[in-house]
Amino acid sequence: DTAVSQTPKYLVTQMGNDKSIKCEQNLGHDTMYWYKQDSKKFLKIMFSYNNKELIINETVPNRFSPKSPDKAHLNLHINSLELGDSAVYFCASSQGGQANTGELFFGEGSRLTVL
Amino acid sequence: AQSVAQPEDQVNVAEGNPLTVKCTYSVSGNPYLFWYVQYPNRGLQFLLKYITGDNLVKGSYGFEAEFNKSQTSFHLKKPSALVSDSALYFCAVRDVYTGGFKTIFGAGTRLFVKA
Repeated sequence: DTAVSQTPKYLVTQMGNDKSIKCEQNLGHDTMYWYKQDSKKFLKIMFSYNNKELIINETVPNRFSPKSPDKAHLNLHINSLELGDSAVYFCASSQGGQANTGELFFGEGSRLTVL
Repeated sequence: AQSVAQPEDQVNVAEGNPLTVKCTYSVSGNPYLFWYVQYPNRGLQFLLKYITGDNLVKGSYGFEAEFNKSQTSFHLKKPSALVSDSALYFCAVRDVYTGGFKTIFGAGTRLFVKA
């Protein structure tokens, strides 16, 4: 029973196209995230949402638009894809609360390749 | 700004030997520190965390980590390495200045355990 699931697992597309990645968690967590892992495996946070509200937007280009229809879902839409957007995108969730000290639960990743 | 550093890109160890993966941190106030492991083509998995209390923290798969405030370190250890421990290991710190809604990851250390 997958805790954090994201689809699709692989996307291959042309520059200039638009694509979406969906994420769902069944852990009952309040907080969800998108992280980007580049080809050197460096992980960088993109967005944090708490109770459907955007908390962190880590200077991500506005071509990236997250949407949280409810606490269990956080989707990522990317417009006008560029070569530099090629990466693995990870969705994660954690239990909120004071200081938010809970660990992150990650999905399996969505590998985006822009040609 | 809060950060973590993993000084080694790669650690090589023979099976059955003890292993250490190093991490140092730079934070203001009390650090909330984590270790995660990533196997090939998978999401990150939580290993252990230090929030407060005992400086020696025990986690999954026989791993432990020692929090050292004077040396600002949080090294990951295991008494006897297994080939199956070969993976990418990330140290991370929870950014309390954003209410804990951002986790900052180190660059990762690749562990190779040789049979």
